Amino acid sequence: RKEVEQDPGPFNVPEGATVAFNCTYSNSASQSFFWYRQDCRKEPKLLMSVYSSGNEDGRFTAQLNRASQYISLLIRDSKLSDSATYLCVVNPRASGGSYIPTFGRGTSLIVHP
Amino acid sequence: DAGVTQSPTHLIKTRGQQVTLRCSPKSGHDTVSWYQQALGQGPQFIFQYYEEEERQRGNFPDRFSGHQFPNYSSELNVNALLLGDSALYLCASRAGTGWAEQYFGPGTRLTVT
Repeated sequence: RKEVEQDPGPFNVPEGATVAFNCTYSNSASQSFFWYRQDCRKEPKLLMSVYSSGNEDGRFTAQLNRASQYISLLIRDSKLSDSATYLCVVNPRASGGSYIPTFGRGTSLIVHP
Repeated sequence: DAGVTQSPTHLIKTRGQQVTLRCSPKSGHDTVSWYQQALGQGPQFIFQYYEEEERQRGNFPDRFSGHQFPNYSSELNVNALLLGDSALYLCASRAGTGWAEQYFGPGTRLTVT
């Protein structure tokens, strides 16, 4: 099983739709979680951190479920500009006690008119 | 406030050659990490530098080495290039070695022929 797995894409949704992505992780000692957005041929940009209590930033909501070892990202009222690849990042504990940031392969979102 | 900068933007090398990529972290950041992102994949962690020392390393061979300078800028060196080294090389910076969010540079696209 891969350390970090994401929903297969692409997700193709109309403007105004609500869409959710999940990301599962295998290392239960993982301590920090993030969602990044990556536009085609650009660098990843931090979208939001994911906290145990869940957090919201405008149309975006992130949740962490430690018991089931997954994080989620919900996008409400999708805009054309939301079209991008969404990457989850998990910091699992590596040997020696260090934390190696591990990215999922990303989920592609296409929002159409 | 300048963000993370990387040079060069693009590079074409031949198998067996050596390459050096450069990164300047965001102002106020002292930790630099390097990632390799192959087409259609998430970024893979290569290593992290803090206080001019390699602090963490991902699953990459010794052909990949790095350096951090007193001004926190960093270099990534790859020896004996293989075709499979063709990828986008991303540098990310953060403040400290904890679990804070990291910010990415635009990347260097390396093509090995």
